[in-house]
Amino acid sequence: DTEVTQTPKHLVMGMTNKKSLKCEQHMGHRAMYWYKQKAKKPPELMFVYSYEKLSINESVPSRFSPECPNSSLLNLHLHALQPEDSALYLCASSQGDPKNTEAFFGQGTRLTVV
Amino acid sequence: DAKTTQPPSMDCAEGRAANLPCNHSTISGNEYVYWYRQIHSQGPQYIIHGLKNNETNEMASLIITEDRKSSTLILPHATLRDTAVYYCIVRVANRDDKIIFGKGTRLHILP
Repeated sequence: DTEVTQTPKHLVMGMTNKKSLKCEQHMGHRAMYWYKQKAKKPPELMFVYSYEKLSINESVPSRFSPECPNSSLLNLHLHALQPEDSALYLCASSQGDPKNTEAFFGQGTRLTVV
Repeated sequence: DAKTTQPPSMDCAEGRAANLPCNHSTISGNEYVYWYRQIHSQGPQYIIHGLKNNETNEMASLIITEDRKSSTLILPHATLRDTAVYYCIVRVANRDDKIIFGKGTRLHILP
């Protein structure tokens, strides 16, 4: 199983809503990532978790709150978002073997904030 | 910031080899060169990576110059399904190192 599964695939939320994005992998990977991608731009790193601990936060606004409840799951909690936060949110995972550290990406959640 | 420079777009005829260049002149000794591609509206897909030797797998070949300051991804027989944005990334092969995407090369395969 080399899949990273993201749910939901699409999400429309109002600016006062609270919602969560979910990411799951069963490859035993201990690093997991959240990225944000705007149209026609490259993915931008948001957060990195290593062994279920937040290791990198790329100065992301607090309206985005990541959570890693166990080694297979990564959540992104959303609250009070702005329309400019509309984007494709990508999750990825990788493991630490130096010869095999490719990251596997999910298909993303397309978020629209109205 | 991304440590790589790639041409913004390239065309290649179907059935021909697609050669995608990447400059990474500030690469460190412990940094690998990775290639990913992203087909429209999908998540990025790993293609290949290498440290200093040339590498080949079922998808592509990676040629790294001796000074490691540049590399070329080769798709030997491009098909229409290879139309995508190709990203060259330099990173240390640790489990939680940042994976920073540059602007990539938009490859168009022409029928």
